[in-house]
Amino acid sequence: AQKVTQAQTEISVVEKEDVTLDCVYETRDTTYYLFWYKQPPSGELVFLIRRNSFDEQNEISGRYSWNFQKSTSSFNFTITASQVVDSAVYFCALSEAGGKAAGNKLTFGGGTRVLVKP
Amino acid sequence: GAGVSQSPSNKVTEKGKDVELRCDPISGHTALYWYRQRLGQGLEFLIYFQGNSAPDKSGLPSDRFSAERTGESVSTLTIQRTQQEDSAVYLCASSLYSHNEQFFGPGTRLTVL
Repeated sequence: AQKVTQAQTEISVVEKEDVTLDCVYETRDTTYYLFWYKQPPSGELVFLIRRNSFDEQNEISGRYSWNFQKSTSSFNFTITASQVVDSAVYFCALSEAGGKAAGNKLTFGGGTRVLVKP
Repeated sequence: GAGVSQSPSNKVTEKGKDVELRCDPISGHTALYWYRQRLGQGLEFLIYFQGNSAPDKSGLPSDRFSAERTGESVSTLTIQRTQQEDSAVYLCASSLYSHNEQFFGPGTRLTVL
């Protein structure tokens, strides 16, 4: 069974600090996909990144970067030089390619609330 | 272009009543998903549609919950004889094909009194 764990429930930082969100996953599939979503106070989930299990290259997008390590089953997310607008709940999610009926149901972690203070 | 839309945005109902929640996915998206988010928690998968078929209903919590999709477009999630534990935000998502990124709607906040 697939499982995603986000051990940090809440992180509070001061603006311009870097913040790293941890995500550890469990799956028996060799082919799977990992995602990060942002849920700002407005409530709507915003897609940030999708990574397949065969692509271990780290990725950077502006102030966001992701570190995928299959050896430790982790897909961590770093926000560099945080801003107040980064305040949100961030969810890590997993889908297995060989899942039921070859669908793509997402299994979410519990989320990490990030609070960036000015 | 238009994103995923859901209606109503809020629904307050009395215990025992039936409710219907609607989702309009992004045009052309073949896959559609329903999730539930209880207060302060992560999202729980409910059901997945590919076209108008539902190959995966494994997340529906009881037989009071059902969903359908028509015209490979609109989907309706129905909860019969609502209970207080059904109170949550119900989120719909769509993706171009299965395994692509899912785009979420704003959700319907359901409160069962």
